[in-house]
Amino acid sequence: RKEVEQDPGPFNVPEGATVAFNCTYSNSASQSFFWYRQDCRKEPKLLMSVYSSGNEDGRFTAQLNRASQYISLLIRDSKLSDSATYLCVVNFFQGGKLIFGQGTELSVKP
Amino acid sequence: NAGVTQTPKFRILKIGQSMTLQCTQDMNHNYMYWYRQDPGMGLKLIYYSVGAGITDKGEVPNGYNVSRSTTEDFPLRLELAAPSQTSVYFCASSDRTATEQYFGPGTRLTVT
Repeated sequence: RKEVEQDPGPFNVPEGATVAFNCTYSNSASQSFFWYRQDCRKEPKLLMSVYSSGNEDGRFTAQLNRASQYISLLIRDSKLSDSATYLCVVNFFQGGKLIFGQGTELSVKP
Repeated sequence: NAGVTQTPKFRILKIGQSMTLQCTQDMNHNYMYWYRQDPGMGLKLIYYSVGAGITDKGEVPNGYNVSRSTTEDFPLRLELAAPSQTSVYFCASSDRTATEQYFGPGTRLTVT
C-alpha cells in the first residue's frame, strides 16, 4: 500500500462545477496534512493546510478524517485558473518529513 | 526576495558524467530538502538537512550526495550519472519540520 494515495484522475470539469479530490494515508501517527498545487512543469506551492476540524479558504474546503485516515479537497465554482495538479501531502512522524501523493490532475474547461 | 533559487534550469548529461545541482535560499531556513519528480509521479525525497553541517538520507538517496556547509546553500551531487536519474529535481526549504515548504523552480535533467 502506498503511504499517500490519491484519486488517479485526470478530472475534466466545466467551469462552475464542484469537484472533490480524495486522499488516503497509511500511517495513523501522521501529524500534519496539506494540499499543494502544482502547475504544469512548475514547482509545487502550498494551497492550504488541513486541520482536524476542517477548514475553508474561499472556494476551497479541506476535510480530515483521522479515523478513516482520509483527506479531501473540495473546489466550488471551478475556474479555468484552477487547472493544475493537486498534491496531497502528509507528515509522517519519523523525522517530520513530508510524504507527497502522486497528484490528481484537474482540467477546467470553458 | 528571491526565495529558493536553483541552477541550472536544464542540463543534459552523458552516462557516467558527474554534476552538481545548486540550491540557495535567502529566507534563513534551517531545513532544506532535495526531491526528484518523475513524469506522472509524486515527489520523492532524496536527502534533507536540518541545519548547517547536518544531512540525512531520504527515500531515494542512492547515486547522490549532499553537503550543507552554510545555512543558505544545499548542493546535490550526482556521481556517475545513469539514465534512471533523468528527472526533475526540486530543492525546498522550511523554517521548521512538517510546515510549509518553499520550492525552487526545479532543474530538468536528462541523462543519455
